[in-house]
Amino acid sequence: AAGVIQSPRHLIKEKRETATLKCYPIPRHDTVYWYQQGPGQDPQFLISFYEKMQSDKGSIPDRFSAQQFSDYHSELNMSSLELGDSALYFCASSQGASGPLTADTQYFGPGTRLTVL
Amino acid sequence: GIQVEQSPPDLILQEGANSTLRCNFSDSVNNLQWFHQNPWGQLINLFYIPSGTKQNGRLSATTVATERYSLLYISSSQTTDSGVYFCAVRGRGSTLGRLYFGRGTQLTVWP
Repeated sequence: AAGVIQSPRHLIKEKRETATLKCYPIPRHDTVYWYQQGPGQDPQFLISFYEKMQSDKGSIPDRFSAQQFSDYHSELNMSSLELGDSALYFCASSQGASGPLTADTQYFGPGTRLTVL
Repeated sequence: GIQVEQSPPDLILQEGANSTLRCNFSDSVNNLQWFHQNPWGQLINLFYIPSGTKQNGRLSATTVATERYSLLYISSSQTTDSGVYFCAVRGRGSTLGRLYFGRGTQLTVWP
């Protein structure tokens, strides 16, 4: 079965640089979620999109922005990178029959490991 | 947001042993998922179980929604079961989709 695809899988950046993470949801999934997992931490919700509109926003720094495109893939843009942004970034997708209010399973991608030097 | 507590934080087992992991949550939920994070960092879906009982091979899970807890059972553990097990929930009163994660149980299975 098709899974969530994330690219790149690994990314190394210098402080103050920018990074773009991409997420391709499972086909026919219309909701995408982004989570950040710091070393030794549990995943923390950043932002989500349903039908290309932002549906929820968590503790996402103002330096980060995201969007969902017409083909439902999503990109997380991160600017002015800081050492503390080093983390594993997960994208998850779900199929909301009536939108993100539906209780359904979130499927996680393999993650992008970002290292900021 | 909803609070999720997992216990024990760490668990060390000999291969072949059985174990029970617990997840308590502070409010009614409409989504509860158990994940296994392997040593490579991948989050593997184990169960979607906001209520009731499910089984998948050596793993089973039970959620008692009225008492706000869920249990994950691992039988005849194997070294490949090692990793972190996360419980994640979405509050029933929530109109948005985010999952709240517990801090996980670090399981180590020795041969």
